[in-house]
Amino acid sequence: AQSVTQLGSHVSVSEGALVLLRCNYSSSVPPYLFWYVQYPNQGLQLLLKYTTGATLVKGINGFEAEFKKSETSFHLTKPSAHMSDAAEYFCAVSERNYGQNFVFGPGTRLSVLP
Amino acid sequence: EAGVVQSPRYKIIEKKQPVAFWCNPISGHNTLYWYRQNLGQGPELLIRYENEEAVDDSQLPKDRFSAERLKGVDSTLKIQPAELGDSAVYLCASSPPGALRTDTQYFGPGTRLTVL
Repeated sequence: AQSVTQLGSHVSVSEGALVLLRCNYSSSVPPYLFWYVQYPNQGLQLLLKYTTGATLVKGINGFEAEFKKSETSFHLTKPSAHMSDAAEYFCAVSERNYGQNFVFGPGTRLSVLP
Repeated sequence: EAGVVQSPRYKIIEKKQPVAFWCNPISGHNTLYWYRQNLGQGPELLIRYENEEAVDDSQLPKDRFSAERLKGVDSTLKIQPAELGDSAVYLCASSPPGALRTDTQYFGPGTRLTVL
C-alpha cells in the first residue's frame, strides 16, 4: 500500500528564513502529489499539486515544491517565512491507477519565530 | 460560493452514546469524502461517495459507523455507540463532477468529537 513519510513532526524557523518541509512517498509508480495546509480549527487547504509536466510546482502564498522521481520526494519550500505561515502541513498522494483516494502523511507543524 | 459546511463544530458525549455529523458539500460537487483525523496525524479516509453511491467504504468500521447520502447532496456520518477511541476530528471534503485523481479536494472545517 502507498505510504507517505514526512520527516520532522515539528519544524521551527525564524521569520525571514528558508522553510523546508520534507515529504517522501513509497511507490514504484510516481503518484499524484499534493501539499495541504491546515490552520488551527480549520479544514485543509490545497497549497499546490503535481500531476505531470514541470517538476517544480508553484503554489499559493509563495510556496513551491519539486518532484524528484529518483528520490521519491516532493519537498515543500518557501524562501522567506512569515509569521502567518505557522500551521500544520500535510503531504498527500493519490495513486495513478487505483481510484481517487488520497493517502496523507502524518503532518509537520511549522512554527515561525519572531 | 459557499465552501463545505459541517455541523456541529464541536461535540462532547459520553461513551456508548450515539452521535451524528452532518456535511453539505460545495454546490455541484458530486464526490463526497469523510475522513477521520486523530490528534497529531493526517486524515484517514472513512468513506467516499459518488453521488449517492458509496464507492469506497473499506476503511469504515461498520460495526459502529454508518453513513448516508440519500439524495446525492448532503451526508450524515453516525457513530453508535461511541467509544473513547473515537475522539478525533471528522472532516468532510468534496470534489467536482468528473473528478479525476488529480483533482483538488475541498475540505470543511471539521467536527471535533470528544468522547468521555
